[in-house]
Amino acid sequence: GESVGLHLPTLSVQEGDNSIINCAYSNSASDYFIWYKQESGKGPQFIIDIRSNMDKRQGQRVTVLLNKTVKHLSLQIAATQPGDSAVYFCAETLYSGAGSYQLTFGKGTKLSVIP
Amino acid sequence: EAQVTQNPRYLITVTGKKLTVTCSQNMNHEYMSWYRQDPGLGLRQIYYSMNVEVTDKGDVPEGYKVSRKEKRNFPLILESPSPNQTSLYFCASSWSGKSYNEQFFGPGTRLTVL
Repeated sequence: GESVGLHLPTLSVQEGDNSIINCAYSNSASDYFIWYKQESGKGPQFIIDIRSNMDKRQGQRVTVLLNKTVKHLSLQIAATQPGDSAVYFCAETLYSGAGSYQLTFGKGTKLSVIP
Repeated sequence: EAQVTQNPRYLITVTGKKLTVTCSQNMNHEYMSWYRQDPGLGLRQIYYSMNVEVTDKGDVPEGYKVSRKEKRNFPLILESPSPNQTSLYFCASSWSGKSYNEQFFGPGTRLTVL
């Protein structure tokens, strides 16, 4: 079946710089996309989401961009801090019938912040 | 504190010995789900539940069972564990199964089957 993937498995960024984490998805019917952050030894934590009818959404220090033409999703983190070091997952949701949605995760990108 | 709890956090067992991993949420969420996380494969959904007494298969249900007798609890049952079920397991919950509802994840259960 179709799945969500990531361009870069690891990313090292200098503290204070901006980070960009990319994700490619293949299912054009997906209607909702989410970015999760997973710190070592913890469960994934919601960061930001975006509906398929939007192309940009901003949060606190984070921005998600959606390009449906090329089926690409990105997460931008401004002024990256050591606490941003984690694995980041993108996920897409697809209606699976009977009022429920299936969440499919990408394999993850590890972000390392260099002090 | 609103949270999803899992027990045990770590478990080492032997092939064929039945085990149950419990999951509980205190947020009155309708939707609950189990995932396994493996290196190189990311998070894959095992089973999910839209509400009490309603469960359905995810992407990788083979070798697992679940039950949803109460709204707050969603145990994962391995009737006869095998080494290929060695993994990190996460339980998650959300208000409903709709796409825009944020899923809250538990801390994870590290299972090793020898």
